[in-house]
Amino acid sequence: AQSVTQLGSHVSVSEGALVLLRCNYSSSVPPYLFWYVQYPNQGLQLLLKYTTGATLVKGINGFEAEFKKSETSFHLTKPSAHMSDAAEYFCAVISPHTGRRALTFGSGTRLQVQP
Amino acid sequence: SQTIHQWPATLVQPVGSPLSLECTVEGTSNPNLYWYRQAAGRGLQLLFYSVGIGQISSEVPQNLSASRPQDRQFILSSKKLLLSDSGFYLCAWRGQGAMNTEAFFGQGTRLTVV
Repeated sequence: AQSVTQLGSHVSVSEGALVLLRCNYSSSVPPYLFWYVQYPNQGLQLLLKYTTGATLVKGINGFEAEFKKSETSFHLTKPSAHMSDAAEYFCAVISPHTGRRALTFGSGTRLQVQP
Repeated sequence: SQTIHQWPATLVQPVGSPLSLECTVEGTSNPNLYWYRQAAGRGLQLLFYSVGIGQISSEVPQNLSASRPQDRQFILSSKKLLLSDSGFYLCAWRGQGAMNTEAFFGQGTRLTVV
């Protein structure tokens, strides 16, 4: 079975401050991990993904995430928040080679950026 | 390049009326197709997925159904809508094979049942 927990349904930061969105996963095998962003009334856009190899992955819009197997975590960070980063962010997981065909998503974290 | 189309963008339907949402994918063949529902503050819930024409897997029991009449067409239906069916419905596709990892999403349909 696979599951995702996102700590904090709402996160508020000041413009220029560090962004940290937390994601912990549960998977019976080494998973593939994803972060998606959703703007109001739109679909989800892939920010970054981890499949194999380097555990620090860089994505679009200056975001990055680090896969930590020992902590079963895949936290999303950005050094300096911009007003345009205000959106909802979803962490997702899929366990390859298990026959599972669909991504499992966390409940989302809404990021607010204060001027 | 691949694109995914989902329509309509918004829909207001009375309780007890039927529903049909359509999703089509271009630029790829034999994709995995998915319907997710997003209720306020509750993340994405997988409703159905399909690995091929006529092959539908249901994740949750409900009054919704899905069909895949063509390789790149996925339809979400209901015979009689409930108030609880309100939400944001998202169609997605994902390639077959180990190299295809992430899912790609349509723009969504906002359904309000009144």
